[in-house]
Order: sequence, then structure tokens, then C-alpha cells
Amino acid sequence: QKEVEQDPGPLSVPEGAIVSLNCTYSNSAFQYFMWYRQYSRKGPELLMYTYSSGNKEDGRFTAQVDKSSKYISLFIRDSQPSDSATYLCAMGDDYKLSFGAGTTVTVRA
Amino acid sequence: DADVTQTPRNRITKTGKRIMLECSQTKGHDRMYWYRQDPGLGLRLIYYSFDVKDINKGEISDGYSVSRQAQAKFSLSLESAIPNQTALYFCATGLLGTDQETQYFGPGTRLLVL
Repeated sequence: QKEVEQDPGPLSVPEGAIVSLNCTYSNSAFQYFMWYRQYSRKGPELLMYTYSSGNKEDGRFTAQVDKSSKYISLFIRDSQPSDSATYLCAMGDDYKLSFGAGTTVTVRA
Repeated sequence: DADVTQTPRNRITKTGKRIMLECSQTKGHDRMYWYRQDPGLGLRLIYYSFDVKDINKGEISDGYSVSRQAQAKFSLSLESAIPNQTALYFCATGLLGTDQETQYFGPGTRLLVL
């Protein structure tokens, strides 16, 4: 069993829809939680960062962490074609990160 | 200029050849990482380094070696390349262990082993 599970999709939504992404994990030592966005042929770029449990909002993006359920989510409101990318969840302890496989999202104009 | 640079960006090599991928960073981070990315498998950690004298194996280090020449430079070597090492390789720097936890990735090296 992988340490981090993420549905690879693909996910296709119309412009303006809410995109919902999630990951589950098994390591209770994880305390840092991130979402990265990766465009085709580019390196991952940090989108959202959360320490421990709770919610964090940044513009159209909301990240949620539920440590009791070992479950994290990313919501994208009012999705735009420019949001079309692969989204990777990542989580870790003080030493290193573990990544999900990534979910490919396409927002149709 | 980019904070994390990788050379080469693309490389084609033959089975059995030795190749080196190089990574440089200007972010001043002590921690550096090498990952490979394969479709459906996400990013997997090959090696990581917390400083020049501290090198650690990741989950898939077999067939790879690394060298931390300086705080800003971290190289990955494939001593004898094999086709299943065909992948996209990323270098990253990080601030793990602080309250501003994150990693910054380079643009990647696309490697094809024939």
C-alpha cells in the first residue's frame, strides 16, 4: 500500500465549476501538507501549504486537512482553463515529503 | 534567473552508459533532493542531502549515486544506465523542518535510455 493515495483522474470540468481533489495517507507522523500544480513539461510549483490540521484559503483555492481521518482536500472555485494541470498532493515530516501520483484536471472553456 | 536549474534538460543515452545530471540552486537552502517522476507513480525520492556532509538514500536509490559538491550543487549519476531509468528527473531544494515547510523544484531533466 502506498503511503499517499491520490486518484489520478483524469478530471474534466466546465469553466466556472468547482474542482474537488483529495488524498489519503497512512503515516500519522505527517504534519506538513502541500498541494503542487504541475503544467505539462514543467516542474511542480507550490500552490498551497498547511501545517497540521485546518483550512487555508488563498483566492479561489481552499486547502483542508483532517488529520483524524488522514485526509486532505483541495477545492478550486470558479475554475478557469488556465487551471488545467496536474495537481500533486504532498505531505511530510521534518525530513522529507511523500507525494501522491497526481490528478490531471482539464477545465473546458 | 531561475532559483533551481538543472542540466541537461533533455538527454538520450544508451544502455550501460554513465551519465550525470546536475542541479544548482541560488535559494541558499541547505536541503536538496532528487526525484524521478513516472506516469501513474508520481514523484519518488531517490536521494536527499541536508548539507554537504549529509547524504541519505530515498525510496528508490538502487542504480543511482549522488554528489553534493557544495551547498548550491547536487549531482545525480547513473553509473550504468538501463531502460527502466527512462523518466523525468527533478531536483528540489527545501526548508523542511521549519514552519515554512516547502520544496522548490527545478524544471526537470527528461532522460531516455535506449
